Amino acid sequence: QSVLTQPPSASGTPGQRVTISCSGSSSNIGSKTVNWYQQLPGTAPKLVIYTNDQRPSGVPDRFSGSKSGTSASLAISGLQSEDEADYYCASWDDSLNGWVFGGGTKLTVL
Amino acid sequence: EVQLVESGGGLAQPGGSLRLSCAASGFTFNTYWMHWVRLAPGKGLVWVSRINSDGSITTYADSVKGRFTISRDNAKNTLYLQMNSLRTEDTAVYYCARGAQQDYWGRGTLVTVSS
Repeated sequence: QSVLTQPPSASGTPGQRVTISCSGSSSNIGSKTVNWYQQLPGTAPKLVIYTNDQRPSGVPDRFSGSKSGTSASLAISGLQSEDEADYYCASWDDSLNGWVFGGGTKLTVL
Repeated sequence: EVQLVESGGGLAQPGGSLRLSCAASGFTFNTYWMHWVRLAPGKGLVWVSRINSDGSITTYADSVKGRFTISRDNAKNTLYLQMNSLRTEDTAVYYCARGAQQDYWGRGTLVTVSS
């Protein structure tokens, strides 16, 4: 069982906006920043959001992140077929003295 | 272009050992923290270990503490993971990742622990 909690699945139709949640605690999200990773099947994970709401160069502005208290969210607007992937949140955990990931959310574009 | 290429995976018996390598290029390796993260079949990503830029600080997940050792050779731009006392639950694709934000990842190397 993962320290950070994500819904196992999410879906949307092309053009829609979808949101993926990530719930943690005071020892991780509540006091540390959150990153989000996208993993297409058979490929390496790719950083899409860092430090809660920052987009790396090259990531479309359709991707956005937010954090409030001990929870964080990844939003994807203008959904496209190429967004179909697994998405993971991650944060440092002071109690465990290590990085923790969510269990991953499989996004399906219908 | 940043590149991370893992190698060294394969089949090992329970109780056995493997040494993974991650060859880095396209950036100043000796200025970055580095991480190992794994993905077991049907499971999510799990952080394994990290090491600071000069190798003086290492941190491990509880599940591998005492069995795995992370190290680096900055002269060779290479990160390592020595895995001893392997268990079936260590079966996974192992990725190396760069930096505090884990902003670049390799494509991974598959480790299978089975008798």
